[in-house]
Amino acid sequence: QVQLQESGPGLVKPSETLSLTCAVSGYSISSGYYWGWIRQPPGKGLEWIGSIYHSGSTFYNPSLKSRVTISVDTSKNQFSLELSSVTAADTAVYYCARGSSSRGGLDFWGQGTLVTVSS
Amino acid sequence: DIQMTQSPSTLSASVGDRVTITCRASQSISSWLAWYQQKPGKAPKLLIYKASSLESGVPSRFSGSGSGTEFTLTISSLQPDDFATYYCQQYNSSSPGWTFGQGTKVEIK
Repeated sequence: QVQLQESGPGLVKPSETLSLTCAVSGYSISSGYYWGWIRQPPGKGLEWIGSIYHSGSTFYNPSLKSRVTISVDTSKNQFSLELSSVTAADTAVYYCARGSSSRGGLDFWGQGTLVTVSS
Repeated sequence: DIQMTQSPSTLSASVGDRVTITCRASQSISSWLAWYQQKPGKAPKLLIYKASSLESGVPSRFSGSGSGTEFTLTISSLQPDDFATYYCQQYNSSSPGWTFGQGTKVEIK
């Protein structure tokens, strides 16, 4: 069974960089699929942040593109998110997920981690 | 950018009801449409992919239909476990990315 687990600081100061890692078990990232980040502000809907293909190609939400970097470490079977210059508007539950280009859906998700931006 | 619009935003229904949620895309997305169920404090769960294909393990009371710009999720007989928020999501195959609708909360009537 594929499992994803997010980790990282739960509190980030304004103007700093948010960094999260998603550890994948039960499937090798280098074997295929997209690996992405999605966030959900408290009480609001889902927003796709960006994805990385197993080959290392990245795709970002245009509204966040200038602040986002997603990278992959196949040796550790994990991928990471960096979001720079954060503000209170970036406070959200951050999810990592696996995406399928053949099916178009996100079929496995982490449980999510709440990141609060506050001084 | 393609925008996804769901309706209604909130739906009140009773156990046993047939429930339909609509999702419209701002331009044609062929059949690149998925549906998710999300319960409070939990990650979304994939129900339907490619507009009408049922994800493994999902009860058959869930079904999806549509293509182009208009899609529907139908729950044939609402069960207590189905009270949740539902999201549609389009997949852009030309520049891989995912866009979600704003969600539909299904509440107990």
